[in-house]
Amino acid sequence: AAGVIQSPRHLIKEKRETATLKCYPIPRHDTVYWYQQGPGQDPQFLISFYEKMQSDKGSIPDRFSAQQFSDYHSELNMSSLELGDSALYFCASSGDRANYGYTFGSGTRLTVV
Amino acid sequence: KNQVEQSPQSLIILEGKNCTLQCNYTVSPFSNLRWYKQDTGRGPVSLTIMTFSENTKSNGRYTATLDADTKQSSLHITASQLSDSASYICVVTVPGNTGKLIFGQGTTLQVKP
Repeated sequence: AAGVIQSPRHLIKEKRETATLKCYPIPRHDTVYWYQQGPGQDPQFLISFYEKMQSDKGSIPDRFSAQQFSDYHSELNMSSLELGDSALYFCASSGDRANYGYTFGSGTRLTVV
Repeated sequence: KNQVEQSPQSLIILEGKNCTLQCNYTVSPFSNLRWYKQDTGRGPVSLTIMTFSENTKSNGRYTATLDADTKQSSLHITASQLSDSASYICVVTVPGNTGKLIFGQGTTLQVKP
């Protein structure tokens, strides 16, 4: 069965550079969530989209932006990268709003040097 | 104080033994409670999901229980295997159309031969 696809799997960037992470949800899933997980920490909710509109916003820095496109894939854009942005970024998609049937992607490991 | 707290923080057991992980939550009301298994550097994989009206849910060697009165959940792993070594995360879903997740800090389980 198709899962949530994230790309790239690994990314190394220098400070002050920009990065774009992509998330392709399970087909027919209309909701995408982005989470940031620092080393040894629990995941922190960043932002979510439902039907291409932002539905909720968490602890997402102003340097980050995200959007969901017409094909329901989502991109997380990160600018002016800082060392502290090094983390695992993973997205989840959901299509069953009654039961919140989340499926997580494998994540993108971002390392800022 | 975290809204979802797990114990123990880490656990080491011998292969073949059973273990029980605990999750206490203060999120109320909630839509559902899930247990996830997360391998290092990977996105969480769902093990069980329970609504507030369910008391127990099994998935192979994993059995989750939920006591909505005491706001406690447990995950019991029987006949542990080396591949069970991972972090186990308790996650509560906030009601509403955003479906935001609140993560516990996880229990790191190490199964030794």
